[in-house]
Parts: sequence; structure tokens; C-alpha cells
Amino acid sequence: EDQVTQSPEALRLQEGESSSLNCSYTVSGLRGLFWYRQDPGKGPEFLFTLYSAGEEKEKERLKATLTKKESFLHITAPKPEDSATYLCAVHPSGYSTLTFGKGTMLLVSP
Amino acid sequence: DAGVIQSPRHEVTEMGQEVTLRCKPISGHDYLFWYRQTMMRGLELLIYFNNNVPIDDSGMPEDRFSAKMPNASFSTLKIQPSEPRDSAVYFCASSQQESAFFGQGTRLTVV
Repeated sequence: EDQVTQSPEALRLQEGESSSLNCSYTVSGLRGLFWYRQDPGKGPEFLFTLYSAGEEKEKERLKATLTKKESFLHITAPKPEDSATYLCAVHPSGYSTLTFGKGTMLLVSP
Repeated sequence: DAGVIQSPRHEVTEMGQEVTLRCKPISGHDYLFWYRQTMMRGLELLIYFNNNVPIDDSGMPEDRFSAKMPNASFSTLKIQPSEPRDSAVYFCASSQQESAFFGQGTRLTVV
């Protein structure tokens, strides 16, 4: 069974304090790994797709990396507006759907 | 494009009543997904369509839930009769290839 586990469940950072969020996954075959951002009261917003181990993608203060078993979302010098829940999802080979983790709730204090 | 549009944004109903949630996907997207989100279980896939045809409804919790996609620009998720445990945020998403784009969701409260 495909599984996605995100850690920590919640993370509190001071503005400028860099950190990483983890997404561990178990799939029979990985077609892609996705990161989404979700603000309160809104739907998930697409951030990145990673397809193969060693791949990296960057967007502003965010950088996503992928290994054969996990993905990291690195947040460099975060700002309060980066506060949100970050969701990881895997797209297993042979399927058309995503399996989501439960997310990491990030709070960045000024 | 305005993105995926869901209505209503909020719905409060009494137990036993019928509830219909609506979704307009992004034009040109041939996949449509219905998800349910709760604190306990996170995002769960209920059903998805490809070219208006239901492909996998194994996530639909019970026969009380049904979904239709009569055309490429409209889908509904119906719950009849509704129960308090159905209270959640329901999301519709659409995709063309692999990146799914989500609507703002419908927050359903069954009292």
C-alpha cells in the first residue's frame, strides 16, 4: 500500500530561522512527488513536482529535493508569509491519482 | 482561466437532508477529482473522472455518496441522507497531466 508520512506535524520558526520539512514515502513505483502549500480556508496550491532521485527545484525561499525514499522542503530565511500547511503527495506508477500526506503546519513568527 | 470553481463555499444542513456540492473544472483538463479533508484523516480521494467517465470510486465511503459528471465543465457530489460524520471540507481538483489544481473547497457542516 502506498504511504506518505510527513514530519514534523507542526513547526514553529522565528523569521529568518532556516529549517527543513520531511516527506517519507513508500510506493511500488514513483511517477512523481508533489509539494503543495495550503493556507487556512483555501485549497492546496501547487508548488513543485520532482520526478527522480537527485532532482531539486527552487522557488523563492523554498527548495525541494528528492531521494529514493524521501523528499525535503528546505525553507531558507523564512518570513511570516511563509506560514501555511505544506502537503506532500506521491503519484504512483500506473495510477492517475495522488496520495497525500497529512501535512506539516508551519508558523513563522516575526 | 478562473481556476477550479466550487459552490457553495459553506453549507450547513440538518442530519438526513440531501446535500449537493458543485464543481466547474479548469477548461481543457480531462481529469476531475473529488477529495475530502478532515483533521484526523487529511486529504482523502473520494472519486475521480477521466473524460467525464468515473474511473475509480473506491474512496466513496458509502452508498449515501454519489458523483456525476454530465459534461466536461460540471460535476456534482451528492450526499443523501447526510450525517454529522460527513462534516468536512470537500475539494474538487482538475488536471491535464500530473499537476492537480484545487478549488477553494466547500465546508460542509451537518448538525
